Amino acid sequence: QQPVQSPQAVILREGEDAVINCSSSKALYSVHWYRQKHGEAPVFLMILLKGGEQKGHDKISASFNEKKQQSSLYLTASQLSYSGTYFCGTEIRRGEAAGNKLTFGGGTRVLVKP
Amino acid sequence: DAGITQSPRHKVTETGTPVTLRCHQTENHRYMYWYRQDPGHGLRLIHYSYGVKDTDKGEVSDGYSVSRSKTEDFLLTLESATSSQTSVYFCAISDYRGRAPYEQYFGPGTRLTVT
Repeated sequence: QQPVQSPQAVILREGEDAVINCSSSKALYSVHWYRQKHGEAPVFLMILLKGGEQKGHDKISASFNEKKQQSSLYLTASQLSYSGTYFCGTEIRRGEAAGNKLTFGGGTRVLVKP
Repeated sequence: DAGITQSPRHKVTETGTPVTLRCHQTENHRYMYWYRQDPGHGLRLIHYSYGVKDTDKGEVSDGYSVSRSKTEDFLLTLESATSSQTSVYFCAISDYRGRAPYEQYFGPGTRLTVT
């Protein structure tokens, strides 16, 4: 079942912060975050494993709340380059034998204005 | 950037014709995936491969078949294209580091239009 992302879209001014949430109805093993710019391929940002691990990529960080089966992506002091669509991909089991089969959310469009 | 190419990059075809999309990697990654991306649906897995000649279905596999005869190539075939298969198709690759899951690297995509 597809994870639910919220909000669907957000508009920011440069320097502002935003949070994107990704919620699943199933117990998750990992959450992957990607960013896609218009007309381009999705680009990997980070992976969160169950256990509440928090990671960072530049001024973008994320957390994973295992109790809620929810991951949050934090855009801090946003830059123009942060504009794009953010997708979470969830993995419900450790897919070592068959690869990591991801189910992606519908995406959150982020627009950062000067 | 991961070495992934897709061909063709754009294709227009007529309903009922067969179409084959190719994904080629130079990373020697074990796992390969085909996704389709449509507005409002994000990325949906069509088929994936976990080794040469080892493939399995994803969530939207009806109307599609795949083959992987070499580590570096993963082919997606639409046996008889329909207008509902108009989409952007992405190939992705990944591998495993011990216990940790690997990120997926995406190819540049193929825009397919079925008229």
